[in-house]
Amino acid sequence: QVQLQESGPGLVRPSETLSLTCTVSGSSIAGRYWSWIRLPPGQGLEWIGYVYYTGNTNLNPSLKSRVTMSVDTSKSQFSLRLTSVTAADTAIYFCARVGRGEANDYWGLGTLVTVSS
Amino acid sequence: DIQMTQSPSTLSSSVGDTVTITCRATESIGTWVAWYQHKPGNAPKLLIYKASNLESGVPARFSGSGSGPEFTLTISSLQPDDFATYYCQQYDSASRRYTFGQGTKVEIK
Repeated sequence: QVQLQESGPGLVRPSETLSLTCTVSGSSIAGRYWSWIRLPPGQGLEWIGYVYYTGNTNLNPSLKSRVTMSVDTSKSQFSLRLTSVTAADTAIYFCARVGRGEANDYWGLGTLVTVSS
Repeated sequence: DIQMTQSPSTLSSSVGDTVTITCRATESIGTWVAWYQHKPGNAPKLLIYKASNLESGVPARFSGSGSGPEFTLTISSLQPDDFATYYCQQYDSASRRYTFGQGTKVEIK
């Protein structure tokens, strides 16, 4: 079955760069869009953006200036970089696959990233 | 950008109740709406896509309806496993961007 797993540091210092990777199994990266979504403590889900297997992206305008996404089809992975982080970027970060009806049909369990000195 | 206003923010209900959650978009978005269930520590689960299509494996007590701008998720005969937070998500086919509603926590009365 399709599985996604996020990986990366759980603690990032303020002003530094958050880097996460999502490893996909059970589904080809090719031909699909792949999302990053986050859940800040006590708040709701926030769409960060998505990356196509070709590397094309579409990003949330509120984060666009700080976000980079990329794909490594040979490793069946896609990645997120968020620069100049602050405490407001503390959240559980999820990766997901875009499926039918442009909905996110498979998600990772999420990884908590805390921004703190 | 299109915004989604989800209501209520909290809903207290009992097992066996029928509950309805509503999302209203600021613009007409066709039927590009999905609904998710989320429990702490778990991955969010897709319930409904394209406003009214039941995702494979999701119990039939979940149903979705509506078209721009108002959409509803109905849970018939609420089960103990259904106490969770629910989110709507809209996809804007013009900008190709997504927006989530604020979430509705369904709790035990």
